[in-house]
Amino acid sequence: EAQVTQNPRYLITVTGKKLTVTCSQNMNHEYMSWYRQDPGLGLRQIYYSMNVEVTDKGDVPEGYKVSRKEKRNFPLILESPSPNQTSLYFCASSPDRGNEQFFGPGTRLTVL
Amino acid sequence: QKEVEQNSGPLSVPEGAIASLNCTYSDRGSQSFFWYRQYSGKSPELIMFIYSNGDKEDGRFTAQLNKASQYVSLLIRDSQPSDSATYLCAVNGVSGYSTLTFGKGTMLLVSP
Repeated sequence: EAQVTQNPRYLITVTGKKLTVTCSQNMNHEYMSWYRQDPGLGLRQIYYSMNVEVTDKGDVPEGYKVSRKEKRNFPLILESPSPNQTSLYFCASSPDRGNEQFFGPGTRLTVL
Repeated sequence: QKEVEQNSGPLSVPEGAIASLNCTYSDRGSQSFFWYRQYSGKSPELIMFIYSNGDKEDGRFTAQLNKASQYVSLLIRDSQPSDSATYLCAVNGVSGYSTLTFGKGTMLLVSP
């Protein structure tokens, strides 16, 4: 089944404790992206990647890191999480950047 | 800064009625337009895309695009309670560097 998977789905952590949210897709898509969704603010892009070893900042990259060492994986790293990073996070993939994006199930992160 | 504007709603319609959802965008060079449906706490799922001026129909859904007015809409005929969700408009700009920009979404409520 073609899909985008994310792990964990739910995470409660404390300020400053490094964490990684994994994202994997099995559709051989070149383009992958991370979004956060907050009430009243909609979906905001954090980082995106056009291919292996090619990443770029989205609209809200501060406090986040990403890597794209393999085509299928695009982890999101929070080196020192803060409470304002409490949010619902979505990973998405697409054959290329202008086309339909397929979303993962989401990761609900709470930073205390 | 590209912008995609939607009325936040909620838009309330009775079962069986036509629901009309609207979206305006600021980037005149935008070429691809997408409508996503998102149930509360779930990931967005694509329901329609449109690239050319005019109407595109798929079952109960019709997307309408007017590039001169920078306006895209989604009509849902014979609305069902299961259509109750938030509808996100997403727009792609000129090719070469652009990614999808999402509106904040319109909440649709269909009452039985």
